[in-house]
Parts: sequence; C-alpha cells; structure tokens
Amino acid sequence: GEDVEQSLFLSVREGDSSVINCTYTDSSSTYLYWYKQEPGAGLQLLTYIFSNMDMKQDQRLTVLLNKKDKHLSLRIADTQTGDSAIYFCAELSGTYKYIFGTGTRLKVLA
Amino acid sequence: KAGVTQTPRYLIKTRGQQVTLSCSPISGHRSVSWYQQTPGQGLQFLFEYFSETQRNKGNFPGRFSGRQFSNSRSEMNVSTLELGDSALYLCASSLAKPGPEETQYFGPGTRLLVL
Repeated sequence: GEDVEQSLFLSVREGDSSVINCTYTDSSSTYLYWYKQEPGAGLQLLTYIFSNMDMKQDQRLTVLLNKKDKHLSLRIADTQTGDSAIYFCAELSGTYKYIFGTGTRLKVLA
Repeated sequence: KAGVTQTPRYLIKTRGQQVTLSCSPISGHRSVSWYQQTPGQGLQFLFEYFSETQRNKGNFPGRFSGRQFSNSRSEMNVSTLELGDSALYLCASSLAKPGPEETQYFGPGTRLLVL
C-alpha cells in the first residue's frame, strides 16, 4: 500500500541539530523528497535524494536513506528559529504520483 | 516570474453545496496537480492534468473533479460538500510530467471550511 509515516511534532533548541524521520512503503519509489511548509504558504522543495544513494548533503541539510528499512531522515544542523515549520517527506511512486507523509511540525526554541 | 496562484484563498460553504477552486500555474508550466491537506492525513493527491488531459488520479470519490484549460489554468470542483471536505487545497505546477527532473512549485492554497 501507499503510506508515508512521520512523527507529528519535534521541538529543539536554537543551535542544536534537528532530525526528522520518515518511513515509506513503496519499494519502487525512485526519488524521495523533503518539503518545508511555513504558515500560510505552500510547500517549498528543500532537497531530494535518488533511491540508489544513501546520503546527500546540502549546506545545513543532510538526508540519509536506508532503502532496506525504507527509512528516510532529514538532519538540520545549527537549527534556527526560521527553520520552524512543517516538514513533509514524499516519495515519487512507480506510477509517478507524489505520496506525502503527514508532516512533522518543528518548533525551534530560542 | 509570478508563482503559482490560487483563488480564492479562503472559502466558507455549507454542506450540500458545491465549490470551484482555481489555479494558475507558473507561466510555461503545463502540468498541474491538486492535493488536499488535512491535519491528520497530511497531503493526499487528488489528480494531475497535463495539456488538458487528466493523467493521474488519487483515491477520492467522484464528487471531486477537475479540468485544465488550453492556457494550463486548472479548476477543481467538489460537489455535494461534506464536513470532511474542510481542508487546505493545494495546487502545484511543473513544466512537464511530475518527476525528479521536474520540480513541483506549490501555490499558497485555498482554505475551504464546510459548515
């Protein structure tokens, strides 16, 4: 079935690292994505990883993929108050549909 | 270049009514996808249109329908509204077929409240 799961909430202190986790179910997914949604706005693509990679780094963002366990994580280094938002992971299924998770609300405490 | 625009931004309807939402993609983008966002379910894919043809469809009842015009603008319609249809409806556009080489750009959404 098609189901992407994320924990609903995460709270971290400013300057700490944040790790947002995601599990997906479609083993035929070719790409996995992380999106950010700020209040009152649509989704903004942060980064994506091809399914044959296990890690991708982009400035403060590190994506780890464990294809065997269908587990994806997003690490934000030196988290800032401006990182407070909802983060969605998504997979591009074999039928070219984007399947999104429920979203993780990240709250950064000053 | 203007981003994806959606109108209206907010809408209040009552059960049984119908509603039409509009999405104007980024200029030059030919693919438009629609999603329903609710707090408990996250984003659920509704359908995707390309060159006026529906190419992909999610698991929603027939009350949800859409169309795309020759200028790539898209509308979605929900008939016989139910309380559970209250959600944020997001539209996303891309140059062509959604995929790794085609980033989807999202609009700000239309927030629908059904009373």
